Amino acid sequence: EVQLVESGGGLVQTGGSLRLSCAASGFTFSTHWMHWVRQVPGRGLVWVSRINSDGSRTTYADSENGRFTISRDNAKNTLYLQMNSLRPEDTGVYYCVRDSLVGATSFDSWGQGALVTVSS
Amino acid sequence: DIQMTQSPSSLSASVGDRVTITCRASQGISIYLNWYQQKPGKAPKLLMFSASSLQSGVPSRFSGSGSGTDFTLTISSLQPEDFATYYCQQSFHTPYTFGQGTKLDIK
Repeated sequence: EVQLVESGGGLVQTGGSLRLSCAASGFTFSTHWMHWVRQVPGRGLVWVSRINSDGSRTTYADSENGRFTISRDNAKNTLYLQMNSLRPEDTGVYYCVRDSLVGATSFDSWGQGALVTVSS
Repeated sequence: DIQMTQSPSSLSASVGDRVTITCRASQGISIYLNWYQQKPGKAPKLLMFSASSLQSGVPSRFSGSGSGTDFTLTISSLQPEDFATYYCQQSFHTPYTFGQGTKLDIK
């Protein structure tokens, strides 16, 4: 069974930093691109970042570019999101998401989410 | 960025009804369109990918169609477990963007 388990969320002040981790199991982690997606409670979904299977290529949404860093450790089956210079608008539930191997990009497995709250 | 617009934003229906949700992209995205279902307190679940391909394990009462800018998700006969919020998402180009969601509730 595919499992994605996020950790590292919490309450932080504006300008602070957090690092999210996502422990993956039940599949060959090193073959999948991975993503982070944010959801503001009661609101919609926002794609944050992606990383290719070997970690050599990364892409970010404009609002996160330069502040967030996505990375992975395939030996530990773990995905990371380092978040710096946090702003209140970064508040939300952050999901670790697996990219399907079938067809174009689609998000076929999701973690339970990690809540990040940035206070002003 | 590609904007995705869903309609309606909310919908009331009864068990057994046929329901259609539409999604429009601000520019052509070929068939790079996915649909997700989200229930309260849960992560989204992939239903359809590449506009019309059914994700493994998803009931066949769900179907998708469209290409270019206009897409639809149809549920042929609503079941109690289908009452949820549905999102479309384009994977044509980063940043990948989602529609605002369609909340489907019981009439």
